[in-house]
Amino acid sequence: DVKVTQSSRYLVKRTGEKVFLECVQDMDHENMFWYRQDPGLGLRLIYFSYDVKMKEKGDIPEGYSVSREKKERFSLILESASTNQTSMYLCATGGPQHFGDGTRLSIL
Amino acid sequence: GQQVMQIPQYQHVQEGEDFTTYCNSSTTLSNIQWYKQRPGGHPVFLIQLVKSGEVKKQKRLTFQFGEAKKNSSLHITATQTTDVGTYFCAGPYNTNAGKSTFGDGTTLTVKP
Repeated sequence: DVKVTQSSRYLVKRTGEKVFLECVQDMDHENMFWYRQDPGLGLRLIYFSYDVKMKEKGDIPEGYSVSREKKERFSLILESASTNQTSMYLCATGGPQHFGDGTRLSIL
Repeated sequence: GQQVMQIPQYQHVQEGEDFTTYCNSSTTLSNIQWYKQRPGGHPVFLIQLVKSGEVKKQKRLTFQFGEAKKNSSLHITATQTTDVGTYFCAGPYNTNAGKSTFGDGTTLTVKP
């Protein structure tokens, strides 16, 4: 069974902080994705990666960056957190996609 | 990227009633995937349809892919309380990269 592990289930940070969300998969998948999910807005793709050190912007990349130094790990970075980045963040891998449990991030 | 539209946004049914959600695309899809997200959970992959006119069944769930490969549906027969959740369809954003464009989902509630 595919296992996608996100480092935190809940996270509270302050405006202006640099925030790291980590995602690790155990299936040697090349593709990894970061989404945010907000009520009424569905799943929106932030960034994805199809190989180590490769990344492409999704639909809403502004205010975010990513890092993929190793195949199994894909990190989402909020460079300077803002309150409008309060959301549920979901990491996924593969295609069809397997999701982690999500990180509910609150920016105060 | 491709836009996948899903209707209805919400559906409330009495237990035992049937339920259908529809997914439409303005462009031809090479495949379509369906996911279910339980309340408080994460989306879970249900099935992928690839062929024109394809019909697949999983117990009480029937999935169809349109002849033109621009629409799809998920039908649940005789809903149960365990069917509650949000059902998403997803089309390929970029087939080579495996990126998907998700519909906004249909949230199903079932009254016992």
